[in-house]
Amino acid sequence: DVQMTQSPSSLSASIGDRVTITCRSSQSIYKFLNWYQQKPGKAPKLLIYTASTLQSGVPSRFSGSGSGTDFTLTINSLQPEDFATYFCQQSNSIPYSFGQGTKLEIK
Amino acid sequence: QVLLQESGPGLVKPSQTLSLTCTVSGASVSSGDYYWTWIRQPPGKDLEWIGYIYRSGNTQYNPSLKSRLTFSLDTSKNQFSLNLRSVTAADTAVYYCARRYLVAAALDSWGQGTRVTVSS
Repeated sequence: DVQMTQSPSSLSASIGDRVTITCRSSQSIYKFLNWYQQKPGKAPKLLIYTASTLQSGVPSRFSGSGSGTDFTLTINSLQPEDFATYFCQQSNSIPYSFGQGTKLEIK
Repeated sequence: QVLLQESGPGLVKPSQTLSLTCTVSGASVSSGDYYWTWIRQPPGKDLEWIGYIYRSGNTQYNPSLKSRLTFSLDTSKNQFSLNLRSVTAADTAVYYCARRYLVAAALDSWGQGTRVTVSS
């Protein structure tokens, strides 16, 4: 099985900051890496798929990059609504595994 | 707008079968563009992919759960379902249904999740 390691597990930042979250896979997953956002009590929301493609309706301050085993999610100019938990998922090989999540909090 | 809603008992006794249903609105489970997926998150643990079912009835299961799992699809009700047999406390989790878009290879719509506790 592919293991996904996400870091950091938590992060404090201020409105307007730029933040980066990383996700590393235990073997190459090519570009089959997705990023999701989840707020308490809400359904997860797809932000980025195939490493760098922005899902329709997602603000352009979100971006993704990487391939192979190393990936990043960058949020430019943090907005109040961005404080949430973010997690990655590989969709290259079954079982499609998830990272443990990064909780982004207001500093 | 696509909506997915999980339903089922919140409490299941050990050794019994956990049955959940996901009702889809705004999209058809007969669509060839999607895999209808189950995911769960045990308390304090990572999300775990359980598996998916396609409109043809073809399924893919997480190998760790495969021997206890059955998925089904009801096109007349626009629903898909999960049956997990012989549950233990380790199956206690929030269970989500979601739609995997084939082109994106990603889960583009999710339900809000339903909490299931396995306890006597």
